[in-house]
Amino acid sequence: EIVLTQSPGTLSLSPGERATLSCRASQSVSSSYLTWYQQKPGQAPRLLIYGASSRATGIPDRFSGSGSGTDFTLTISRLEPEDFAVYYCQRYGTSSFGQGTRLEIK
Amino acid sequence: QITLKESGPTLVTPTQALTLTCTFSGFSLSTSGMGVGWIRQPPGKALEWLALIYWDDDKRYSPSLESRLTITADTPQNQVVLTLTNMDPVDTATYYCARGYCTSSNCYGFDFWGQGTLVTVSS
Repeated sequence: EIVLTQSPGTLSLSPGERATLSCRASQSVSSSYLTWYQQKPGQAPRLLIYGASSRATGIPDRFSGSGSGTDFTLTISRLEPEDFAVYYCQRYGTSSFGQGTRLEIK
Repeated sequence: QITLKESGPTLVTPTQALTLTCTFSGFSLSTSGMGVGWIRQPPGKALEWLALIYWDDDKRYSPSLESRLTITADTPQNQVVLTLTNMDPVDTATYYCARGYCTSSNCYGFDFWGQGTLVTVSS
């Protein structure tokens, strides 16, 4: 079973700053199946990134994904107020989600 | 327009089985590459993937819960049913269903989600 570990657990930043979120897999993951989700309080998760680096429909280009093998990164280039939320990575199909990174306003 | 909606009991007694139904529209589970999955989230905690059923009736389960889970599909009725046996208070969570979709060139992950349904396990 692949285990995904996200870091940091909490990230405190200000609007306009750059956010870098990490997702590390316990064994190699095909980039084709690596996804990122955003979840705001009281809402269902929203797909941000699929295939490790492709933005889902309607996702702003300040969101980008990268990585391969066991190390993947979600980058938000300039934080907007609506970006403060919890972010999860998942290897679609056969494994659970990472434990999440909470992005909070500093 | 793609929609999914979860339905089932909001309160379950310990040791009972939970049966949840996901009713969807706007896509067909018979389409190659399509899947419907179940994910849960205990209050204040992280998402946990539970199960996934594919268009060809292939089924995948979370290893930690596999002995208690069953996922089935009624494709003509556009429904997917999840059963979780021997419920415990730690199974209290919001349960989501979501569409998953892969083509020969891309795998999109869970691109559409239901609103979720809160299930409480208590005597």
